[in-house]
Amino acid sequence: EDQVTQSPEALRLQEGESSSLNCSYTVSGLRGLFWYRQDPGKGPEFLFTLYSAGEEKEKERLKATLTKKESFLHITAPKPEDSATYLCAVQAGAAGNKLTFGGGTRVLVKP
Amino acid sequence: KAGVTQTPRYLIKTRGQQVTLSCSPISGHRSVSWYQQTPGQGLQFLFEYFSETQRNKGNFPGRFSGRQFSNSRSEMNVSTLELGDSALYLCASRLGLAANEQFFGPGTRLTVL
Repeated sequence: EDQVTQSPEALRLQEGESSSLNCSYTVSGLRGLFWYRQDPGKGPEFLFTLYSAGEEKEKERLKATLTKKESFLHITAPKPEDSATYLCAVQAGAAGNKLTFGGGTRVLVKP
Repeated sequence: KAGVTQTPRYLIKTRGQQVTLSCSPISGHRSVSWYQQTPGQGLQFLFEYFSETQRNKGNFPGRFSGRQFSNSRSEMNVSTLELGDSALYLCASRLGLAANEQFFGPGTRLTVL
């Protein structure tokens, strides 16, 4: 069964204090790894898709990387508006097109 | 371009009742998936529809069902509601079966009393 584990569960940062979120996964035949951002009371907002080990993608202060067993979401010089829950999900070959999500990391950036 | 829309946004029901939730995908998207989000279990896949056919199903009881119409709009139904069905129900759409990225709607918050 596909498994996704995110750590830490929660992260408190000062504005400008860079950090990384971890997403480790166990799947049969990774087809894609996805990062989403979710604000309270809203649906997840798509950020990135990574397909193969070594791939990196960037968007503003966020950078996602992928290895064969885990992915990292690096937040560089975060601002208060980066406060959200960040979700990692995988799509695996044997599971059709469903996404299997991790539990998320709640990030709070204080000014 | 309008995003995924879901109606209603909030619902309060009592145990034993049934409920129908609606989802309109992004224009041109033909695949719709449904997810349940709870504090304890996180986001869990319910089912996916494409071309009015269920293509994949998660590990939920038969009380949870869905359908898709010819215009790609989708509904999900939960019968004989239980307290544990209280959750945020999210709909996601994607262009087609070959497309990987799924885009989520705002969700329907269901409370079962």
